[in-house]
Amino acid sequence: KQEVTQIPAALSVPEGENLVLNCSFTDSAIYNLQWFRQDPGKGLTSLLLIQSSQREQTSGRLNASLDKSSGRSTLYIAASQPGDSATYLCAVYSGAGSYQLTFGKGTKLSVIP
Amino acid sequence: EAQVTQNPRYLITVTGKKLTVTCSQNMNHEYMSWYRQDPGLGLRQIYYSMNVEVTDKGDVPEGYKVSRKEKRNFPLILESPSPNQTSLYFCASRTGGVNEQYFGPGTRLTVT
Repeated sequence: KQEVTQIPAALSVPEGENLVLNCSFTDSAIYNLQWFRQDPGKGLTSLLLIQSSQREQTSGRLNASLDKSSGRSTLYIAASQPGDSATYLCAVYSGAGSYQLTFGKGTKLSVIP
Repeated sequence: EAQVTQNPRYLITVTGKKLTVTCSQNMNHEYMSWYRQDPGLGLRQIYYSMNVEVTDKGDVPEGYKVSRKEKRNFPLILESPSPNQTSLYFCASRTGGVNEQYFGPGTRLTVT
């Protein structure tokens, strides 16, 4: 059974810092990996989707990498801003037809002005 | 606007009273799914549907039912709700290919 772990569980940084969020998964036979953002009491917003054949994806100040063989992904946020404060969730698609989506428990990020 | 909608957004009910949470998407997506989110446990998949009339269990299906009679709708049914089903529920959809999921705004359910 796929398990996804995110470290750290919480992170507090001063505004302007670059930071890295980590995600690891136990079964490397994944189809895709997706990073989401969740604001308190809100739904999930998709940030980046990395297909299994890709090594990384970039969107603005965000860069996500994927190393299937080691079961790891990282989300890099450049020049952090207070508006980046949220919980970041990593999720992997696995199983036949990639219908199963397993989430990590998230990293709660606080960017201090 | 492409979106996934859920209703109701908030619901307080009593043990044993049947309820349905509706989910609808306007993107013609084949795949839809339901998740619940609980503190310390994260998001867990309840049921998913690959297309009309095709559904399968996720990680935590006990106490829930689903149906997929139309492509756009995927209701979640709790026949006899219990307090341990108090949670935040999310519906999601995506195309049949390898594409990102779109999530609804969530339904906060409290069972007393």
